[in-house]
Amino acid sequence: AQSVSQHNHHVILSEAASLELGCNYSYGGTVNLFWYVQYPGQHLQLLLKYFSGDPLVKGIKGFEAEFIKSKFSFNLRKPSVQWSDTAEYFCAVTPGGYNKLIFGAGTRLAVHP
Amino acid sequence: GAVVSQHPSRVICKSGTSVKIECRSLDFQATTMFWYRQFPKQSLMLMATSNEGSKATYEQGVEKDKFLINHASLTLSTLTVTSAHPEDSSFYICSARNVQGYGYTFGSGTRLTVV
Repeated sequence: AQSVSQHNHHVILSEAASLELGCNYSYGGTVNLFWYVQYPGQHLQLLLKYFSGDPLVKGIKGFEAEFIKSKFSFNLRKPSVQWSDTAEYFCAVTPGGYNKLIFGAGTRLAVHP
Repeated sequence: GAVVSQHPSRVICKSGTSVKIECRSLDFQATTMFWYRQFPKQSLMLMATSNEGSKATYEQGVEKDKFLINHASLTLSTLTVTSAHPEDSSFYICSARNVQGYGYTFGSGTRLTVV
């Protein structure tokens, strides 16, 4: 079945460690890609998005993601995490030609001081 | 920026009653809105796509007669959970597609508890 896969369900890091969260999708054709963050008790916020152009996308709060078409991947990275990055991160995809946004299962990140 | 207002934020209802959840785009027109359901510690599951002036498109497995969606204007979509049962207890989130920025703005969600 077509889907969005996030391989890491739970990640625990110390402050200043580097972060990479994996996201793979199985839709063919053109896709638009998103990463959202959900802080505890808050609503979803957009971190970054990719539609076309430079496959390396920079978002807010020092996050970036790289679209690798051949690998159907859109991994999220941050060189140095902070305690305030503790949240749940969702990768999402709009399959080509459709409006709907399909979410991955999410990755819960805990950053320890 | 684009803002989506969702009300109520929390609602408790008795089993068998109906509950209406509103989703409003405050500073942009949303021809398309989406309704999601999020179970504890799980991802957002798309329930339906709501298009202004037409019938909603439901995802497989979602009962359209139970989850009534109305998108009567470019700024308002409603989700009515009819004859609610405890298993309908969940976190419901709406999202509006901002055509100008080709982004998706999310409401703050509604926690429904059916007792």
